[in-house]
Amino acid sequence: EAGVTQFPSHSVIEKGQTVTLRCDPISGHDNLYWYRRVMGKEIKFLLHFVKESKQDESGMPNNRFLAERTGGTYSTLKVQPAELEDSGVYFCASSQRTGKTEAFFGQGTRLTVV
Amino acid sequence: GQQVMQIPQYQHVQEGEDFTTYCNSSTTLSNIQWYKQRPGGHPVFLIQLVKSGEVKKQKRLTFQFGEAKKNSSLHITATQTTDVGTYFCADTSGTYKYIFGTGTRLKVLA
Repeated sequence: EAGVTQFPSHSVIEKGQTVTLRCDPISGHDNLYWYRRVMGKEIKFLLHFVKESKQDESGMPNNRFLAERTGGTYSTLKVQPAELEDSGVYFCASSQRTGKTEAFFGQGTRLTVV
Repeated sequence: GQQVMQIPQYQHVQEGEDFTTYCNSSTTLSNIQWYKQRPGGHPVFLIQLVKSGEVKKQKRLTFQFGEAKKNSSLHITATQTTDVGTYFCADTSGTYKYIFGTGTRLKVLA
């Protein structure tokens, strides 16, 4: 069974540019989460989808971040325009049952804004 | 808001020494999970604790849930270089998301 996959693994962009991150959760997992880890610090929650619906987006830093999950399958996270402080590792995770079972993480996308 | 703190933030140990990280919540937890992230890797689930005072073991790792369900600990006996990484606790209580602790970064010196 394939795990959670993320693309790209690395991205280096200039300040002001746009970047779109993609996450393919484990098949059958309705719950999809986006997290960000900056400079080796804590793993901060960004948002949570249940199927195609945004359950909680309280962790999204500002309106430069837009997440979608069309059809309840894969998800994208777009940053537009990117700022220097957006640099970090963006992790996607999926789970079967909300909060009661383990979360499976993707390998992450390392975003560097220069 | 809900906060999950971990101490220490960093720990360097000699190989063979024991290691403990503590997780403390500002609110009562219904259950707690532990994850390990190797350097350059992604968080990987280790275990989930549900019951007050629960103790679970995985080889050299011992996980404990506090009696009041507001704290938890992870103890590693006789650390090995393969134990290197950052250990996170995660609160999954009553919400729809996993709230991760601040993490404890472990370095094991051979």
